[in-house]
Amino acid sequence: ILNVEQSPQSLHVQEGDSTNFTCSFPSSNFYALHWYRWETAKSPEALFVMTLNGDEKKKGRISATLNTKEGYSYLYIKGSQPEDSATYLCAFPNAGNMLTFGGGTRLMVKP
Amino acid sequence: GAGVSQSPSNKVTEKGKDVELRCDPISGHTALYWYRQRLGQGLEFLIYFQGNSAPDKSGLPSDRFSAERTGESVSTLTIQRTQQEDSAVYLCASSLARHNEQFFGPGTRLTVL
Repeated sequence: ILNVEQSPQSLHVQEGDSTNFTCSFPSSNFYALHWYRWETAKSPEALFVMTLNGDEKKKGRISATLNTKEGYSYLYIKGSQPEDSATYLCAFPNAGNMLTFGGGTRLMVKP
Repeated sequence: GAGVSQSPSNKVTEKGKDVELRCDPISGHTALYWYRQRLGQGLEFLIYFQGNSAPDKSGLPSDRFSAERTGESVSTLTIQRTQQEDSAVYLCASSLARHNEQFFGPGTRLTVL
């Protein structure tokens, strides 16, 4: 069983604040690291799939970095908006087919 | 194009009854996954299909759970003799290939009374 951990579990920020949260995963047998956003009453939506150590990916105000040697990834949101409120999940595929999800970071952005 | 669809969106059933949940993946996606999320818990992998290969059933919690997929199209997840602990949101996802980004359906909320 793989250990994929996310912190913090929840986060409350004011509109306009920048924020970041962490995903830690096993540093051995790395294949990829996925980030998803899951808004209430909607389906999880893929943000990034990261494969290379040192990878940095960006989508609008959201960006992510990856350190496979130490087993962590950071997700950053610049200038948070209320529509960014969601649960952010990271997921780590194992050698087989299973994608192990972290517990998620629940972000709430107050207007 | 059309995304992943699931039906029904909500299902309420009595303990002991069988239920069948359906997933239509994105056309051309060879990989299909079933997950569930029970209240207060994270996403839990159930089963994976890749093309015509034998499915990876390693996540199925008991032999009451089974799933089928016809080629690279529709999949059904069947839960026999449902129990209250089966109550959850069941999500289906598809991807172009294993380890690619997954596209999720809207889920089926199953409530077992």
